[in-house]
Amino acid sequence: DAGVIQSPRHEVTEMGQEVTLRCKPISGHNSLFWYRQTMMRGLELLIYFNNNVPIDDSGMPEDRFSAKMPNASFSTLKIQPSEPRDSAVYFCASSTRGRTDTQYFGPGTRLTVL
Amino acid sequence: GQNIDQPTEMTATEGAIVQINCTYQTSGFNGLFWYQQHAGEAPTFLSYNVLDGLEEKGRFSSFLSRSKGYSYLLLKELQMKDSASYLCAVRGPLNPQSTFGDGTTLTVKP
Repeated sequence: DAGVIQSPRHEVTEMGQEVTLRCKPISGHNSLFWYRQTMMRGLELLIYFNNNVPIDDSGMPEDRFSAKMPNASFSTLKIQPSEPRDSAVYFCASSTRGRTDTQYFGPGTRLTVL
Repeated sequence: GQNIDQPTEMTATEGAIVQINCTYQTSGFNGLFWYQQHAGEAPTFLSYNVLDGLEEKGRFSSFLSRSKGYSYLLLKELQMKDSASYLCAVRGPLNPQSTFGDGTTLTVKP
């Protein structure tokens, strides 16, 4: 299996622009997570989906952030408008319901907002 | 809510043994994970504990005491490639969501 796939790997944009991050989970996994990681705040869960349905979005920082999962093999995280404080590495992870629910992380998208 | 505490940094010598501690306070507990994250890379799964006791997997072992809200990750025969951040994560009552600690940065020196 190719693992969790994220695109783009790097994104540099200017303040006020819309940013869309993409994720393809591991085939057969029915839970998907979006995380943000910064030096100051560590790894933070933004939102997670179970069977394509958003279960908990309490970690989404503001209304500028939105996430969708139109099908089992694709999810997006959108920031509109972006701000410099959104600069971080955004990870997508997926897991399957089972004994451990181990999460498998994608390589991440490094976002820089100028 | 959940609160997870880990030391920020640790240093150890190649070939030695190091223990990374994690304490947690949670409103519900459904398992504890350890992840390894090398600089610039994604976290990768190391271990999972849901019952008290020690789980051994090669050079790495993980211990859990639910009554004390305490876990540790034990790394034996340290290698230079073990230099990384080690994240403790607790799974709460809302499966499969986990809360991550801030991580412990381990530096292995020759």
